[in-house]
Amino acid sequence: KAGVTQTPRYLIKTRGQQVTLSCSPISGHRSVSWYQQTPGQGLQFLFEYFSETQRNKGNFPGRFSGRQFSNSRSEMNVSTLELGDSALYLCASSEFSNSPLHFGNGTRLTVT
Amino acid sequence: QKEVEQNSGPLSVPEGAIASLNCTYSDRVSQSFFWYRQYSGKSPELIMSIYSNGDKEDGRFTAQLNKASQYVSLLIRDSQPSDSATYLCAVNRITGANSKLTFGKGITLSVRP
Repeated sequence: KAGVTQTPRYLIKTRGQQVTLSCSPISGHRSVSWYQQTPGQGLQFLFEYFSETQRNKGNFPGRFSGRQFSNSRSEMNVSTLELGDSALYLCASSEFSNSPLHFGNGTRLTVT
Repeated sequence: QKEVEQNSGPLSVPEGAIASLNCTYSDRVSQSFFWYRQYSGKSPELIMSIYSNGDKEDGRFTAQLNKASQYVSLLIRDSQPSDSATYLCAVNRITGANSKLTFGKGITLSVRP
């Protein structure tokens, strides 16, 4: 099976802009989670989607949003970008709630 | 108290030694536990999962879980330079239909040839 695919791999944006990141899960996986990884904070949970419904959300401002489509593909959006949003954004999929996550290669976002 | 804590690093061991990585968690109802390995510039890769108390062995890796002490560890036997990476402990809590996987900050392991 193909792994989790994230696009794009790299993004450079300026403050105030918005960005959309895309994730295609492993075939058959219905749960998609998003994480932000920075050197200081480690992996921080953003949100989890299952069957097009957001089931859980981390402690991030409303500028961070996401959605999941009927084919399980997911997107996350960050509006009004800030310098502190520079990070590696990781998408992960799993088969069931108790199953391990399988990560994509991530999108490296740089905000200037 | 942090939800998932890993002992501070970095950890350096000689080639062939046993590396011991520790993790504690605060939520008693956590149900599944994972160890991920992350090489520099790469995404996390699952290396072990454990769901019940005791030891689970997979090749050179052994995961140990003690739910009463809220403690999970990873032992790497016969450490190799290729094991040099950051190791992340992750703890899953399921409430109804919701699940949330929380990661520790990771510990960097360096295996000296």
